[in-house]
Amino acid sequence: EDQVTQSPEALRLQEGESSSLNCSYTVSGLRGLFWYRQDPGKGPEFLFTLYSAGEEKEKERLKATLTKKESFLHITAPKPEDSATYLCAVRGPLANGGSQGNLIFGKGTKLSVKP
Amino acid sequence: ETGVTQSPTHLIKTRGQQVTLRCSSQSGHNTVSWYQQALGQGPQFIFQYYREEENGRGNFPPRFSGLQFPNYSSELNVNALELDDSALYLCASSSGTTRTGELFFGEGSRLTVL
Repeated sequence: EDQVTQSPEALRLQEGESSSLNCSYTVSGLRGLFWYRQDPGKGPEFLFTLYSAGEEKEKERLKATLTKKESFLHITAPKPEDSATYLCAVRGPLANGGSQGNLIFGKGTKLSVKP
Repeated sequence: ETGVTQSPTHLIKTRGQQVTLRCSSQSGHNTVSWYQQALGQGPQFIFQYYREEENGRGNFPPRFSGLQFPNYSSELNVNALELDDSALYLCASSSGTTRTGELFFGEGSRLTVL
């Protein structure tokens, strides 16, 4: 069964304290790994898509990397405005259809950055 | 360019009732998917609509149904509400033409079932 596991569940950092979030996945064939950010009471906001092992994407203080079994979201010198829940997702099984919209999400990592 | 909009933002229903949630997709997007997000959980895929037909479905019972209209807007209907249906319902639209495959989410409709 395809699944996504994120760790830790929650992470508290001081402003400027770099760290990484982990996303482990099990899929029959990876057709994309996605990172989203979700603020309280809001819908998820797209950050990155990774398709193959070794691929990396960067945006401001965030960098996403991908191996054959997991992905990391590295946060360098975080600021309080980076506080949010970060969700990892993979495309769901082809048998269920919905090739674009069918994502399997992890439970997320709730990041808090204190000034 | 307008984003994905959902209505209502909050609603309260009682067990056994029926509910309809609405979604307007982002301009130019022809595919709409719906997700259920329980408190403290990640979103769970309910189904996807493309060209007014359901073309993908997650592990949700038939009492979860939907529609898509010619302007690509969509509805999610839930019959015979149960307490466990209390959740944030998210609508997402996509165009299928971007390499990133990103979904654009609305802010959701929070349903409470008493």
